Amino acid sequence: DVVMTQSPLSLAVTLGQPASISCRSSRSLVHNNGNTYLSWFQQRPGHSPRRLIYQVSNRDSGVPDRFSGSGSGTEFTLKISRVEAEDVGVYYCMQGTHWPSWTFGQGTKVEIK
Amino acid sequence: EVQLLESGGALVQPGGSLRLSCAASGFSISSYAMSWVRQAPGKGLEWVSVISYSGDDTYYGDSVKGRFTISRDNSRDTVYLQMNSLRAEDTAIYYCAKVPYGDYANAFDIWGQGTMVTVSS
Repeated sequence: DVVMTQSPLSLAVTLGQPASISCRSSRSLVHNNGNTYLSWFQQRPGHSPRRLIYQVSNRDSGVPDRFSGSGSGTEFTLKISRVEAEDVGVYYCMQGTHWPSWTFGQGTKVEIK
Repeated sequence: EVQLLESGGALVQPGGSLRLSCAASGFSISSYAMSWVRQAPGKGLEWVSVISYSGDDTYYGDSVKGRFTISRDNSRDTVYLQMNSLRAEDTAIYYCAKVPYGDYANAFDIWGQGTMVTVSS
């Protein structure tokens, strides 16, 4: 299985300041078709996961534009340009390139400083 | 509104069985592959199983292969997870999640609220 490794595992951010989460995969996530299938999910406290980003940088409907994804190959980043109180939660990266064995990162907990 | 509603979670003894259900509303599941993802208490997300839109193809994670069976009833817009030979390490919230049309690689665009399974004597 492809191992996904996130860093940091915990992040305390001042309101209005940027935040950045890194995700590395043990194998390239470039599919045979040339696309890269890396998604980001947000899980607010007490809630189900919600997909924010798919295919590295595409925002899902309704996701604020302060969230952005980037990266290629084996290294990816989720950035929040200005953290708001509602952004508190755990963020997971997930690879879909090597389905049917989808794998998630360990999660990064974002809290307000 | 597109929604998934899981049910069937319970406290069960090791070695026991349980069947989870996931009912869709706001859309018909007949065109979509559907999946189960679980989360042990205080832990991260683990993919469990997926079933194609027709039910012809099913896949399982190594930790549940041979013990769990996924199925679907498109006429009822419902997906099931039959769990046998349950172990303590199967204790988790089980989420149902939808796969976008024909796009397994970009899976899990919609999630249910989850149902809790506890395996303990």
